[in-house]
Amino acid sequence: AQKVTQAQTEISVVEKEDVTLDCVYETRDTTYYLFWYKQPPSGELVFLIRRNSFDEQNEISGRYSWNFQKSTSSFNFTITASQVVDSAVYFCALSGQNQGGKLIFGQGTELSVKP
Amino acid sequence: GAVVSQHPSRVICKSGTSVKIECRSLDFQATTMFWYRQFPKQSLMLMATSNEGSKATYEQGVEKDKFLINHASLTLSTLTVASAHPEDSSFYICSARDVGQGNTEAFFGQGTRLTVV
Repeated sequence: AQKVTQAQTEISVVEKEDVTLDCVYETRDTTYYLFWYKQPPSGELVFLIRRNSFDEQNEISGRYSWNFQKSTSSFNFTITASQVVDSAVYFCALSGQNQGGKLIFGQGTELSVKP
Repeated sequence: GAVVSQHPSRVICKSGTSVKIECRSLDFQATTMFWYRQFPKQSLMLMATSNEGSKATYEQGVEKDKFLINHASLTLSTLTVASAHPEDSSFYICSARDVGQGNTEAFFGQGTRLTVV
Protein backbone atom coordinates (compact mmCIF):
# COMPACT_ATOMS: atom_id res chain seq x y z
CA ALA A 1 0.00 0.00 0.00
CA GLN A 2 1.07 3.54 -0.60
CA LYS A 3 0.64 6.29 1.93
CA VAL A 4 1.78 9.85 2.49
CA THR A 5 1.66 11.47 5.91
CA GLN A 6 1.94 15.16 6.59
CA ALA A 7 1.67 15.32 10.35
CA GLN A 8 1.51 19.12 10.52
CA THR A 9 -2.02 20.22 9.81
CA GLU A 10 -1.39 23.92 10.31
CA ILE A 11 1.73 26.00 10.77
CA SER A 12 1.84 29.69 11.54
CA VAL A 13 5.02 31.72 11.29
CA VAL A 14 5.99 35.33 11.15
CA GLU A 15 7.44 36.74 7.97
CA LYS A 16 11.17 36.09 7.45
CA GLU A 17 11.13 33.00 9.61
CA ASP A 18 12.30 29.72 8.14
CA VAL A 19 9.75 26.90 8.14
CA THR A 20 9.98 23.20 7.39
CA LEU A 21 7.05 21.11 6.21
CA ASP A 22 7.37 17.43 6.94
CA CYS A 23 6.42 14.56 4.65
CA VAL A 24 6.77 10.85 5.37
CA TYR A 25 5.79 8.24 2.82
CA GLU A 26 5.25 4.51 2.55
CA THR A 27 5.61 2.43 -0.58
CA ARG A 28 6.75 -1.02 -1.63
CA ASP A 29 7.78 0.17 -5.07
CA THR A 30 11.51 0.37 -5.66
CA THR A 31 11.05 3.15 -8.16
CA TYR A 32 8.74 5.99 -7.26
CA TYR A 33 8.34 9.73 -7.52
CA LEU A 34 7.73 12.31 -4.85
CA PHE A 35 6.11 15.66 -5.41
CA TRP A 36 5.33 18.88 -3.63
CA TYR A 37 2.46 21.11 -4.70
CA LYS A 38 1.29 24.47 -3.46
CA GLN A 39 -2.44 25.20 -3.36
CA PRO A 40 -3.30 28.88 -2.87
CA PRO A 41 -6.85 29.92 -1.91
CA SER A 42 -7.85 30.02 -5.59
CA GLY A 43 -7.53 26.24 -5.61
CA GLU A 44 -5.21 25.43 -8.45
CA LEU A 45 -2.27 23.16 -7.77
CA VAL A 46 1.10 24.76 -8.36
CA PHE A 47 3.83 22.24 -9.09
CA LEU A 48 6.96 22.80 -7.00
CA ILE A 49 9.16 19.77 -7.40
CA ARG A 50 9.35 16.17 -8.54
CA ARG A 51 12.00 13.81 -7.20
CA ASN A 52 12.94 10.37 -8.47
CA SER A 53 13.53 7.74 -5.81
CA PHE A 54 17.04 7.12 -7.09
CA ASP A 55 18.07 10.72 -6.73
CA GLU A 56 18.69 11.58 -3.11
CA GLN A 57 20.43 14.84 -3.77
CA ASN A 58 18.96 17.73 -1.91
CA GLU A 59 17.64 20.49 -4.09
CA ILE A 60 17.50 24.23 -3.67
CA SER A 61 15.41 26.59 -5.74
CA GLY A 62 15.56 30.15 -4.51
CA ARG A 63 14.04 30.24 -1.03
CA TYR A 64 12.80 26.66 -1.36
CA SER A 65 14.81 23.57 -0.51
CA TRP A 66 14.00 19.91 -0.23
CA ASN A 67 15.61 17.17 1.84
CA PHE A 68 15.01 13.64 0.57
CA GLN A 69 16.10 10.80 2.86
CA LYS A 70 15.21 7.27 1.81
CA SER A 71 16.51 5.88 5.10
CA THR A 72 13.69 7.61 6.94
CA SER A 73 11.23 7.71 4.01
CA SER A 74 11.00 11.44 4.31
CA PHE A 75 10.86 14.28 1.81
CA ASN A 76 10.78 17.50 3.78
CA PHE A 77 10.32 20.97 2.36
CA THR A 78 11.89 24.11 3.79
CA ILE A 79 11.02 27.68 2.99
CA THR A 80 13.72 30.14 3.97
CA ALA A 81 12.85 33.72 4.92
CA SER A 82 9.13 33.09 4.49
CA GLN A 83 6.89 35.72 2.92
CA VAL A 84 3.18 36.43 3.19
CA VAL A 85 2.74 35.17 -0.37
CA ASP A 86 3.90 31.75 0.78
CA SER A 87 0.64 31.35 2.70
CA ALA A 88 -1.13 28.36 1.17
CA VAL A 89 -1.81 24.69 1.64
CA TYR A 90 1.13 22.51 0.68
CA PHE A 91 0.70 18.92 -0.42
CA CYS A 92 3.26 16.18 -0.61
CA ALA A 93 2.41 13.38 -3.03
CA LEU A 94 3.72 10.00 -4.12
CA SER A 95 3.47 8.08 -7.37
CA GLY A 96 4.78 4.56 -7.78
CA GLN A 97 6.43 3.50 -11.00
CA ASN A 98 3.54 1.26 -11.90
CA GLN A 99 0.80 3.72 -10.88
CA GLY A 100 0.59 5.24 -14.33
CA GLY A 101 0.90 8.79 -13.10
CA LYS A 102 -1.78 8.81 -10.42
CA LEU A 103 -0.84 10.47 -7.19
CA ILE A 104 -1.40 9.65 -3.56
CA PHE A 105 -1.59 12.88 -1.62
CA GLY A 106 -0.82 13.66 1.97
CA GLN A 107 -3.35 15.47 4.09
CA GLY A 108 -1.77 18.83 3.38
CA THR A 109 -0.20 21.44 5.62
CA GLU A 110 -1.77 24.86 5.81
CA LEU A 111 0.94 27.46 6.13
CA SER A 112 0.09 30.92 7.37
CA VAL A 113 2.77 33.56 7.16
CA LYS A 114 1.91 36.66 9.12
CA PRO A 115 3.46 40.06 8.45
CA GLY B 1 5.55 22.68 -19.52
CA ALA B 2 2.44 20.83 -20.59
CA VAL B 3 -0.86 22.64 -20.21
CA VAL B 4 -4.11 21.16 -19.02
CA SER B 5 -7.24 23.26 -19.28
CA GLN B 6 -10.30 22.54 -17.16
CA HIS B 7 -13.68 24.11 -17.72
CA PRO B 8 -15.71 25.55 -16.09
CA SER B 9 -13.75 26.92 -13.16
CA ARG B 10 -16.91 27.47 -11.13
CA VAL B 11 -20.43 26.19 -11.49
CA ILE B 12 -23.54 26.52 -9.40
CA CYS B 13 -26.40 24.21 -10.21
CA LYS B 14 -29.73 23.20 -8.78
CA SER B 15 -30.15 19.92 -6.99
CA GLY B 16 -31.17 17.18 -9.40
CA THR B 17 -29.49 18.62 -12.46
CA SER B 18 -26.41 17.23 -14.19
CA VAL B 19 -23.13 19.05 -14.60
CA LYS B 20 -20.38 18.35 -17.13
CA ILE B 21 -16.75 19.25 -16.48
CA GLU B 22 -14.20 19.18 -19.29
CA CYS B 23 -10.50 18.47 -19.04
CA ARG B 24 -8.33 19.15 -22.07
CA SER B 25 -4.65 18.62 -22.71
CA LEU B 26 -3.71 21.56 -24.91
CA ASP B 27 -0.25 20.75 -26.18
CA PHE B 28 0.18 17.04 -25.69
CA GLN B 29 -1.67 13.78 -26.07
CA ALA B 30 -2.97 12.18 -22.92
CA THR B 31 -3.98 8.54 -23.06
CA THR B 32 -4.66 8.69 -19.34
CA MET B 33 -6.41 11.33 -17.30
CA PHE B 34 -7.21 11.33 -13.62
CA TRP B 35 -10.10 12.89 -11.74
CA TYR B 36 -9.69 13.98 -8.14
CA ARG B 37 -12.13 15.41 -5.64
CA GLN B 38 -11.31 17.68 -2.74
CA PHE B 39 -13.75 18.55 0.01
CA PRO B 40 -13.09 21.73 2.04
CA LYS B 41 -10.06 21.50 4.28
CA GLN B 42 -9.29 18.01 3.04
CA SER B 43 -6.82 16.35 0.76
CA LEU B 44 -7.26 15.39 -2.87
CA MET B 45 -8.71 11.96 -3.35
CA LEU B 46 -8.53 10.07 -6.62
CA MET B 47 -11.98 9.31 -7.98
CA ALA B 48 -11.19 7.55 -11.22
CA THR B 49 -8.64 6.92 -13.92
CA SER B 50 -9.79 7.69 -17.42
CA ASN B 51 -8.27 5.87 -20.37
CA GLU B 52 -8.82 7.00 -23.94
CA GLY B 53 -11.11 4.66 -25.79
CA SER B 54 -11.97 2.46 -22.86
CA LYS B 55 -14.01 2.47 -19.68
CA ALA B 56 -12.80 4.43 -16.72
CA THR B 57 -11.49 2.71 -13.63
CA TYR B 58 -13.18 3.95 -10.47
CA GLU B 59 -11.74 3.99 -6.99
CA GLN B 60 -13.51 2.13 -4.24
CA GLY B 61 -16.56 3.97 -2.99
CA VAL B 62 -17.03 6.16 -6.08
CA GLU B 63 -20.35 5.60 -7.82
CA LYS B 64 -19.74 5.07 -11.52
CA ASP B 65 -23.37 5.75 -12.36
CA LYS B 66 -23.20 9.12 -10.67
CA PHE B 67 -19.81 10.25 -11.90
CA LEU B 68 -19.82 9.50 -15.60
CA ILE B 69 -16.46 9.72 -17.31
CA ASN B 70 -15.90 9.84 -21.03
CA HIS B 71 -12.46 9.94 -22.62
CA ALA B 72 -13.28 9.92 -26.29
CA SER B 73 -10.12 11.53 -27.62
CA LEU B 74 -6.47 11.88 -26.72
CA THR B 75 -6.99 15.45 -25.60
CA LEU B 76 -10.36 15.47 -23.87
CA SER B 77 -11.93 13.77 -20.89
CA THR B 78 -15.25 14.77 -19.37
CA LEU B 79 -16.73 14.17 -15.95
CA THR B 80 -20.49 14.41 -15.64
CA VAL B 81 -22.03 14.60 -12.20
CA ALA B 82 -25.45 13.09 -12.73
CA SER B 83 -28.40 14.32 -10.67
CA ALA B 84 -26.17 16.40 -8.45
CA HIS B 85 -27.03 16.91 -4.78
CA PRO B 86 -25.63 19.31 -2.19
CA GLU B 87 -23.28 16.63 -0.86
CA ASP B 88 -21.60 16.56 -4.28
CA SER B 89 -20.49 20.14 -3.79
CA SER B 90 -16.72 19.97 -3.92
CA PHE B 91 -13.60 20.96 -5.83
CA TYR B 92 -12.97 18.67 -8.78
CA ILE B 93 -9.59 18.67 -10.47
CA CYS B 94 -8.24 16.66 -13.35
CA SER B 95 -4.75 15.73 -14.36
CA ALA B 96 -3.41 14.38 -17.62
CA ARG B 97 -0.40 12.25 -18.23
CA ASP B 98 1.93 13.08 -21.09
CA VAL B 99 2.91 9.74 -22.52
CA GLY B 100 4.46 11.12 -25.67
CA GLN B 101 7.86 11.36 -24.06
CA GLY B 102 7.51 8.48 -21.68
CA ASN B 103 7.10 11.01 -18.90
CA THR B 104 5.46 9.74 -15.78
CA GLU B 105 4.46 13.18 -14.57
CA ALA B 106 0.81 14.21 -14.67
CA PHE B 107 -0.16 17.83 -15.15
CA PHE B 108 -3.12 19.39 -13.39
CA GLY B 109 -5.99 21.51 -14.62
CA GLN B 110 -7.15 24.58 -12.75
CA GLY B 111 -9.98 22.77 -11.01
CA THR B 112 -13.75 23.22 -10.93
CA ARG B 113 -15.58 24.38 -7.85
CA LEU B 114 -19.04 22.84 -7.91
CA THR B 115 -21.79 24.16 -5.68
CA VAL B 116 -25.13 22.37 -5.69
CA VAL B 117 -28.01 24.35 -4.19
